[in-house]
Amino acid sequence: QVQLQESGPGLVKPSETLSLTCTVSGGSISSYYWNWIRQPAGKGLEWIGRIYTSGSTNYNPSLKSRVTMSVDMSKNQFSLKLSSVTAADTAVYYCARVGLLPFDIWGQGTMVTVSS
Amino acid sequence: EIVLTQSPGTLSLSPGERATLSCRASQSVSSSYLAWYQQKPGQAPRLLIYGASSRATGIPDRFSGSGSGTDFTLTISRLAPEDFAVYYCQQYGSSPLYTFGQGTKLEIK
Repeated sequence: QVQLQESGPGLVKPSETLSLTCTVSGGSISSYYWNWIRQPAGKGLEWIGRIYTSGSTNYNPSLKSRVTMSVDMSKNQFSLKLSSVTAADTAVYYCARVGLLPFDIWGQGTMVTVSS
Repeated sequence: EIVLTQSPGTLSLSPGERATLSCRASQSVSSSYLAWYQQKPGQAPRLLIYGASSRATGIPDRFSGSGSGTDFTLTISRLAPEDFAVYYCQQYGSSPLYTFGQGTKLEIK
């Protein structure tokens, strides 16, 4: 079955750019919306944005100025870049799929800490 | 922005009891675009209910969803030990495209 796996640095310095990749295995990346969601420790879920396999994107307005998403069909991967990070961006970051159903498949999540 | 408010914040019940979790939206939400998720410690959320009342694949029939407009409910008919977790409602359609409620923690009494 389809599985998602996040990867990227677990520690990012303030003001730098957080970069994460989600690898899709067990199925095609085509014809779905691929999303990033984050969760600070002990808090709720915040949707960051999504990318369709055509490259079309939608971002949360609260993060839009700092977010860039991309997709690499040849590698079955999609990526997140979040610029100018602060401690407030410390969270577990999840990638997740949306198709006919909302957020039906999630990655296990990756913890990213922003600290010098 | 549509704000989803879940109540109660924490619900303390015993196995075998019935759980009723509420999700209230600040504006009307299409029933087609209301979902519920379960999250256990250290795990990603799991889709339980979509379209307000349809169970996702593999979800036991003790879980049911209902509601429309601004008021939605997740009901667990008879709590099993593995049901104690945090539950989130989520809507799609308004900017931002997806928003989640703040969660209800279901704990063992």
